[in-house]
Amino acid sequence: DAKTTQPNSMESNEEEPVHLPCNHSTISGTDYIHWYRQLPSQGPEYVIHGLTSNVNNRMASLAIAEDRKSSTLILHRATLRDAAVYYCILRNSGGSNYKLTFGKGTLLTVNP
Amino acid sequence: DADVTQTPRNRITKTGKRIMLECSQTKGHDRMYWYRQDPGLGLRLIYYSFDVKDINKGEISDGYSVSRQAQAKFSLSLESAIPNQTALYFCATSDPGSSGVEKLFFGSGTQLSVL
Repeated sequence: DAKTTQPNSMESNEEEPVHLPCNHSTISGTDYIHWYRQLPSQGPEYVIHGLTSNVNNRMASLAIAEDRKSSTLILHRATLRDAAVYYCILRNSGGSNYKLTFGKGTLLTVNP
Repeated sequence: DADVTQTPRNRITKTGKRIMLECSQTKGHDRMYWYRQDPGLGLRLIYYSFDVKDINKGEISDGYSVSRQAQAKFSLSLESAIPNQTALYFCATSDPGSSGVEKLFFGSGTQLSVL
């Protein structure tokens, strides 16, 4: 399975943008890039996904490098409620054996 | 009401006891999963099921068993609990859909402590 690498932790101030990086140098052409986050005392929740093009939704934006070997989750204005562990995950769109592997993720701290 | 419900939310038990963690969902998804989370280790897949007649081992299935009683119900059992099974357990569901993108939906977790 293709692996992802994320920083263990990052810190931001409230109302400032946050850029969470993810490296996935062994990504295959059919791997989607998914981001999930886990708020304290909750299960992970889906944030966004992309394949090649940059993506925006109400929660965040996903910027994907042209060679797809890295991506960045962008929170445009961090709030205290965005403090969570953020997971970058690769998911192959084909194949019958499905496993979504969560690594350690990035712990985001948001300062007031 | 939550789409994916886990019971109990917390459980303390003793070594050697049999424990069952239950998961039910109202999302109508065929696929269900059990994950385990330990501090600093992310989530690890224990078992997964793509439909009622399908059960598959994940990366850490030893010491665990599962039962898919219905589309909406997926239970995880520890036949003889041991202290290193103390962890936070999550149930999840997904639907492959037609777009090739499959989102996971998680329950709120069960904190299990084995003394």
